[in-house]
Amino acid sequence: GAVVSQHPSRVICKSGTSVKIECRSLDFQATTMFWYRQFPKQSLMLMATSNEGSKATYEQGVEKDKFLINHASLTLSTLTVTSAHPEDSSFYICSARGAGILTDTQYFGPGTRLTVL
Amino acid sequence: AQSVTQPDIHITVSEGASLELRCNYSYGATPYLFWYVQSPGQGLQLLLKYFSGDTLVQGIKGFEAEFKRSQSSFNLRKPSVHWSDAAEYFCAVEDSGYALNFGKGTSLLVTP
Repeated sequence: GAVVSQHPSRVICKSGTSVKIECRSLDFQATTMFWYRQFPKQSLMLMATSNEGSKATYEQGVEKDKFLINHASLTLSTLTVTSAHPEDSSFYICSARGAGILTDTQYFGPGTRLTVL
Repeated sequence: AQSVTQPDIHITVSEGASLELRCNYSYGATPYLFWYVQSPGQGLQLLLKYFSGDTLVQGIKGFEAEFKRSQSSFNLRKPSVHWSDAAEYFCAVEDSGYALNFGKGTSLLVTP
């Protein structure tokens, strides 16, 4: 149980285009989802926290107009990188925190590798 | 603010040898602490967690960690390392908003 999926696993796009990444909790309802960014050989940095049905809370320094987060249901959150540029190339990882017995742990997706040319 | 320090960037151990990965935290209250493992290009897998109670926590894959409040540490241990344990290990502390603050990670290399 407690599986989180991400789609796509890899994406390559041209500079200036937008990319949408989906994060799904497959077998539980995620009351809160988190989006992290990881540069090569570095740690994960929290970008934003999203709760179902409400606006995401962004960390300082993260542009909310560039990284659009939608948490439309208890099993789906999306991250859209708008007008992507090469510096946005990174590994994006989502995590989900459930309700009930799953409320005390974050379950991570496998990540999405974004390369902007 | 909560923070986590992993002093060792790289550690190399021989297969079959014991392992200890260090983690120190800075947090005013009782911390919620986690160890995750990440294989190359993959997401994170939870090894174990500490919230309260017994300070020696057992996890998956034969790992354990000990919470020591006096030393602000939560070191990860394994008595006998397998080649498949080679990966990146992250210690993390949960903040008040349930997000995780990660250490910089320790890269484990296992030699034959």
